[in-house]
Amino acid sequence: GAGVSQSPSNKVTEKGKDVELRCDPISGHTALYWYRQSLGQGLEFLIYFQGNSAPDKSGLPSDRFSAERTGGSVSTLTIQRTQQEDSAVYLCASRGQGTNEQFFGPGTRLTVL
Amino acid sequence: AQSVTQLGSHVSVSEGALVLLRCNYSSSVPPYLFWYVQYPNQGLQLLLKYTSAATLVKGINGFEAEFKKSETSFHLTKPSAHMSDAAEYFCAVSDNNAGNMLTFGGGTRLMVKP
Repeated sequence: GAGVSQSPSNKVTEKGKDVELRCDPISGHTALYWYRQSLGQGLEFLIYFQGNSAPDKSGLPSDRFSAERTGGSVSTLTIQRTQQEDSAVYLCASRGQGTNEQFFGPGTRLTVL
Repeated sequence: AQSVTQLGSHVSVSEGALVLLRCNYSSSVPPYLFWYVQYPNQGLQLLLKYTSAATLVKGINGFEAEFKKSETSFHLTKPSAHMSDAAEYFCAVSDNNAGNMLTFGGGTRLMVKP
């Protein structure tokens, strides 16, 4: 079956521009996570969606970052007014109900010039 | 709060040699522990997981890990390294009571010499 997909695979943007990153989780998975992988900070949790509950935004580094999940499926991570320190690989993962295993997508590599 | 420490950001072994990647964790609740592998320009793939069943966990590609509560460790081993094992390996802990979000270690890059 299809795994987690993310688009675009690469995104180059200029400082100050807004970007949107998309994640399509595995069909039927109720939980969705965003993580960021950067040279300086390693792998860090950003935000977590579980069903229709309010998301856990405790990992978002600033108010320039936001995410939504429409219809309990596709999620979009938005970064406003991008900064060079936002350059990283953004990974999405999903998890089925009653399990603790997260399946990761291939990531979106964001480069802010 | 949970944390994970991976000793050694880079490990180099010869093909056929034992692989040992170290992971120590800190958790205020019984942890779920995971090892993930990341090949270049790819996402994370689960190698194995510990979820309070058997303390010796066998994973894919011949890897295994042993949960040692007294040492708060979950080291990853493979008896004989193969060239295709060259990748970055991440140890992670999750809290079942907090949404299962993963806290990762800093990663260990495994290099395999011919």
